[in-house]
Amino acid sequence: AQSVSQHNHHVILSEAASLELGCNYSYGGTVNLFWYVQYPGQHLQLLLKYFSGDPLVKGIKGFEAEFIKSKFSFNLRKPSVQWSDTAEYFCAAGGGSYIPTFGRGTSLIVHP
Amino acid sequence: DTAVSQTPKYLVTQMGNDKSIKCEQNLGHDTMYWYKQDSKKFLKIMFSYNNKELIINETVPNRFSPKSPDKAHLNLHINSLELGDSAVYFCASSQNTGGSYGYTFGSGTRLTVV
Repeated sequence: AQSVSQHNHHVILSEAASLELGCNYSYGGTVNLFWYVQYPGQHLQLLLKYFSGDPLVKGIKGFEAEFIKSKFSFNLRKPSVQWSDTAEYFCAAGGGSYIPTFGRGTSLIVHP
Repeated sequence: DTAVSQTPKYLVTQMGNDKSIKCEQNLGHDTMYWYKQDSKKFLKIMFSYNNKELIINETVPNRFSPKSPDKAHLNLHINSLELGDSAVYFCASSQNTGGSYGYTFGSGTRLTVV
């Protein structure tokens, strides 16, 4: 069975700080990886996704993620966060016809 | 134009009542889903329908019954509501079974059972 672990449950940063949110997955086949963002009171939106090819994936709003197969990781990064990045971030992993499994989410608070 | 729309956005009801949440997508996607997000933000898949056929039915009480009249609609009916059903319910759709291209989520329905 596949599983997704997000190690940081709560992250608090000041504006302009760099961000890295960890995500590890366990899955026994070709994996598709996703990061979703949920702004306060809103629905989940896709930030970026990885299927194949370049392991460094660029997403919207300056986010990027790196797929490291040997570490089963897909960490999310942003060099300089803004107050508007305050949100819940979800990593998800799936493959083929398997429904993606979501991690438990990381709550990010950015202080102005 | 909202891609995945859910109604109602908020639903407050008493224990024991029966309620329905509706979902419609205009993306032409083949697969639709219901997810439950609890108070700790944990997202759990409940059901998945592909072209009106049920393909996933996770361990969910049988008080929850999905209905898909066509591939653009997936409604969720809940009988005999309980306090523990309070959560945010998200509808989602994807191009293919399994959502390997990613999901498009609806705005959610916040259900409060009192």
